[in-house]
Amino acid sequence: EAGVTQSPTHLIKTRGQQATLRCSPISGHTSVYWYQQALGLGLQFLLWYDEGEERNRGNFPPRFSGRQFPNYSSELNVNALELEDSALYLCASSLEGEGVKLFFGSGTQLSVL
Amino acid sequence: AQSVTQPDIHITVSEGASLELRCNYSYGATPYLFWYVQSPGQGLQLLLKYFSGDTLVQGIKGFEAEFKRSQSSFNLRKPSVHWSDAAEYFCAVDFREGSYIPTFGRGTSLIVHP
Repeated sequence: EAGVTQSPTHLIKTRGQQATLRCSPISGHTSVYWYQQALGLGLQFLLWYDEGEERNRGNFPPRFSGRQFPNYSSELNVNALELEDSALYLCASSLEGEGVKLFFGSGTQLSVL
Repeated sequence: AQSVTQPDIHITVSEGASLELRCNYSYGATPYLFWYVQSPGQGLQLLLKYFSGDTLVQGIKGFEAEFKRSQSSFNLRKPSVHWSDAAEYFCAVDFREGSYIPTFGRGTSLIVHP
């Protein structure tokens, strides 16, 4: 069974550009979570999608947005990139109702220059 | 506000020694509790979880954790550490308050000396 896959593995952008990160959940999982892992800050919750709907978002500005497609894959968009957006972005999927046991991808390392 | 505290940023142990990583959370009810491990360049892998029942839970790779309600703690333990255990460890708490969003601690980096 394929795990959670994220692409690209690495992404280098400059300030003011836009970044798009992609995530494919485990087959059968309907929920997708996005977390930002900045150096020394642990995991900060960004967004939660389930059944195509945004269910919750963390304390991040509106330039962080995303969506979930009918096949449950998801996309995270970061507009007007700032230097402090440099981080590892982790996607996780889960089966709703399983007490939120998360399965994580390996992440996208975003570097903003 | 709900929070998860891992008071140790780094822990250094010798191979074969015992290990305890601390985790405390700030809430009175009984949440769902998790420990994850992150090896360099990898995503997070679930080590173990506690939902209810026996407060001592066994996980993968020889890890265990004990839920202590009175102390709002969920400490991770391993009796004998292997060099391959060197990684970042994250405690996570689902406070079960409608949003079902796990809150993560900042992580503890485990260094294993030969």
